[in-house]
Amino acid sequence: DGGITQSPKYLFRKEGQNVTLSCEQNLNHDAMYWYRQDPGQGLRLIYYSQIVNDFQKGDIAEGYSVSREKKESFPLTVTSAQKNPTAFYLCASSIVLAGNYEQYFGPGTRLTVT
Amino acid sequence: AQSVTQPDIHITVSEGASLELRCNYSYGATPYLFWYVQSPGQGLQLLLKYFSGDTLVQGIKGFEAEFKRSQSSFNLRKPSVHWSDAAEYFCAVGDPGGYNKLIFGAGTRLAVHP
Repeated sequence: DGGITQSPKYLFRKEGQNVTLSCEQNLNHDAMYWYRQDPGQGLRLIYYSQIVNDFQKGDIAEGYSVSREKKESFPLTVTSAQKNPTAFYLCASSIVLAGNYEQYFGPGTRLTVT
Repeated sequence: AQSVTQPDIHITVSEGASLELRCNYSYGATPYLFWYVQSPGQGLQLLLKYFSGDTLVQGIKGFEAEFKRSQSSFNLRKPSVHWSDAAEYFCAVGDPGGYNKLIFGAGTRLAVHP
């Protein structure tokens, strides 16, 4: 089945540690996105990438980093510089086509930092 | 800048009652509009989308939405709500700034009373 996989579903870390969230897709989509979701704030864009080895900062990139070494994979690292990292993180992908905005979402990873 | 407003943070309806979730956007030209649904702890699923043409669009799970340019609205409706419709609903608009990004509203949480 084609889709987006995010692992793990729940992640717990101590403050000061970096943590990497996995996102893999087998939809053959060129574009991938990372969002952060907090209660009452909708989805906020962290990073996005339209092609391998290229990515752009979204609205709240501070304290996060990404890589795009393979088309299928877009891991997100939450660094110790992120002041409030506890949140629900969603990965998405889409076809790169003019006027196509439809995104497909993974099941999410809930990160708790204490 | 483009924005999406969902005026209702939380709505409660009785099972079998009709439902309308409001969405207003700010964008000068014809927007690309979406409604997504999110069950607790899950990713987002596309309900329906509007690009052009007929302003009344049908989606999955018995939902429909109507694009009204004069009111800058794209309200989601369902004639008879089922208990399984309890979820959070997000309206989104395509960001014309490039990279096929979406701008999301803050979401409306729907509770369904038996």
